[in-house]
Amino acid sequence: GAGVSQSPSNKVTEKGKDVELRCDPISGHTALYWYRQSLGQGLEFLIYFQGNSAPDKSGLPSDRFSAERTGGSVSTLTIQRTQQEDSAVYLCASSSGQGDTGELFFGEGSRLTVL
Amino acid sequence: QKEVEQDPGPLSVPEGAIVSLNCTYSNSAFQYFMWYRQYSRKGPELLMYTYSSGNKEDGRFTAQVDKSSKYISLFIRDSQPSDSATYLCAMEGVYNQGGKLIFGQGTELSVKP
Repeated sequence: GAGVSQSPSNKVTEKGKDVELRCDPISGHTALYWYRQSLGQGLEFLIYFQGNSAPDKSGLPSDRFSAERTGGSVSTLTIQRTQQEDSAVYLCASSSGQGDTGELFFGEGSRLTVL
Repeated sequence: QKEVEQDPGPLSVPEGAIVSLNCTYSNSAFQYFMWYRQYSRKGPELLMYTYSSGNKEDGRFTAQVDKSSKYISLFIRDSQPSDSATYLCAMEGVYNQGGKLIFGQGTELSVKP
């Protein structure tokens, strides 16, 4: 497809379980971002990948959160030992990483519910 | 205090009304200001982008930035039911430095026919 693709669109898990969320960015986009959107809240930056540079992990809320990007394309966000406060919509975005600023293209998100 | 403050609403207006959406911010380093629109259960999409202070107009939408007051606004003229969405302001400090945008909470807008 032409846009950012995320899977699963919905995930319900039990507290303490690990979850993996996947993001397939727009082809050719070198920059990839993960944001979290909790109910009634704005978007909270989690992590940013740009090309082969070391990722900016400054927004990850705890060491239970990690992300990787393989081959400069697909990214996986992993949450270990999930907690109820992890319930949110996890949004992935990509951009060309060149010249444009602010033009992030978002996927539709993965809605995570931790019971 | 959050870096970017935005009234979450909800805001309900009749069709044809002029809508004013606002954000305040505390970090004087912000230079790039954006408005994203997010429909229900969709990802945000870029609506307007402004650099530094001033106005920018695009059709029925006008974005204003007042850096001296650390205040930005989005005006929607002749609002339509299709404008019903959540509007998020976003800011970035340094050009092309990773797109690490700081978002406001978002204002939920409903335009009634």
